[in-house]
Amino acid sequence: GQQVMQIPQYQHVQEGEDFTTYCNSSTTLSNIQWYKQRPGGHPVFLIQLVKSGEVKKQKRLTFQFGEAKKNSSLHITATQTTDVGTYFCAGPLGNQGGKLIFGQGTELSVKP
Amino acid sequence: GAVVSQHPSWVICKSGTSVKIECRSLDFQATTMFWYRQFPKQSLMLMATSNEGSKATYEQGVEKDKFLINHASLTLSTLTVTSAHPEDSSFYICSARDSSRAVKLFFGSGTQLSVL
Repeated sequence: GQQVMQIPQYQHVQEGEDFTTYCNSSTTLSNIQWYKQRPGGHPVFLIQLVKSGEVKKQKRLTFQFGEAKKNSSLHITATQTTDVGTYFCAGPLGNQGGKLIFGQGTELSVKP
Repeated sequence: GAVVSQHPSWVICKSGTSVKIECRSLDFQATTMFWYRQFPKQSLMLMATSNEGSKATYEQGVEKDKFLINHASLTLSTLTVTSAHPEDSSFYICSARDSSRAVKLFFGSGTQLSVL
């Protein structure tokens, strides 16, 4: 069945270091979304990418959507303690409107 | 932004009892809501899609008689875990999409269910 794989599962960085999480889909996606879940919290939408090769930035966060629309990445420059949490990518599940399939998530911890 | 309210935030119950979880969209109408389950340190697994005015659709492997879903209005969906057992202990999260705000999902705060 359709799968969305995300690596790494965990990433521990020193504050100020960069961080990247990678997302790969077994199928071509019409769009990809990224969510952040703080410890003990619920997922919060960060961004959606739609176009092949699209790159979007949100302050220190850079999101990319691959040319084949099967992979994506999230890069955080100069991490801060407020970046701590689990980052999930998610893509549409089949053609069933609204359903999302989530990657396993990358848990980021930042050491001050 | 759009708000989805989920209640209760945590519940402890005895094995064999039923637990109802409510999910409300506070400032928008949601014809479709989604119920996810999340185990510690794991991803969100879609359980079912709640459709206003019609039967819910369940993902493969999810027992519909075990997890009863009712979407009686455009702002409320409920998930009832019937005859709960310890293996049902998990974090349950609902989500909804405000169709006027593209495809992103707004999530409830989640319900931590512990079955003794």
